[in-house]
Amino acid sequence: ETGVTQTPRHLVMGMTNKKSLKCEQHLGHNAMYWYKQSAKKPLELMFVYNFKEQTENNSVPSRFSPECPNSSHLFLHLHTLQPEDSALYLCASSRQGQGRINEQFFGPGTRLTVL
Amino acid sequence: AQSVAQPEDQVNVAEGNPLTVKCTYSVSGNPYLFWYVQYPNRGLQFLLKYITGDNLVKGSYGFEAEFNKSQTSFHLKKPSALVSDSALYFCAVRGLIRRGQGGKLIFGQGTELSVKP
Repeated sequence: ETGVTQTPRHLVMGMTNKKSLKCEQHLGHNAMYWYKQSAKKPLELMFVYNFKEQTENNSVPSRFSPECPNSSHLFLHLHTLQPEDSALYLCASSRQGQGRINEQFFGPGTRLTVL
Repeated sequence: AQSVAQPEDQVNVAEGNPLTVKCTYSVSGNPYLFWYVQYPNRGLQFLLKYITGDNLVKGSYGFEAEFNKSQTSFHLKKPSALVSDSALYFCAVRGLIRRGQGGKLIFGQGTELSVKP
């Protein structure tokens, strides 16, 4: 295991539902990321948090709302999603700063299906 | 802008044969390059990275990658493929960094490696 956990692993929701994805890292990292992985498309970076501060929002629709209460936890709140939002949502973490070029560690992902 | 390209959607190799998964990059500044592997229903696992130094980088599970600046390539290689190497492989480049930001990665579209017995 990579030290990054995600729950739930699978989620089916209707377009009017509100749900949240959770990510937790046990690696002492200070940066966390949300990615979207759709079939036949490259991984799309959604959000970046560095020391709990959002440093990047990659033009993500407002129906996706991230939350980072501390350096170990990252949430993605979902509301009024569309069927095209169905994808694998991956969380990652890394240690940044002091000129380091470090790899990211990924969680297993949440497979989201929007009906 | 930083980008990577993986020109092959799929690579088929017989077990025991050498394998190569191709990656080319385009960057402003120094290239920081990564390879990841994704097994079915799993997240991405880090294989190796090039930051500086030797052009041949060794990584996990017997994989290595060769950095070639003149050809702007970073191909992944393994001398003898295993059936268990069958997976989806992603090349990535470090995105442009602004002060105080985390190190985002820009991924290629992925290459499906199939190793047959």
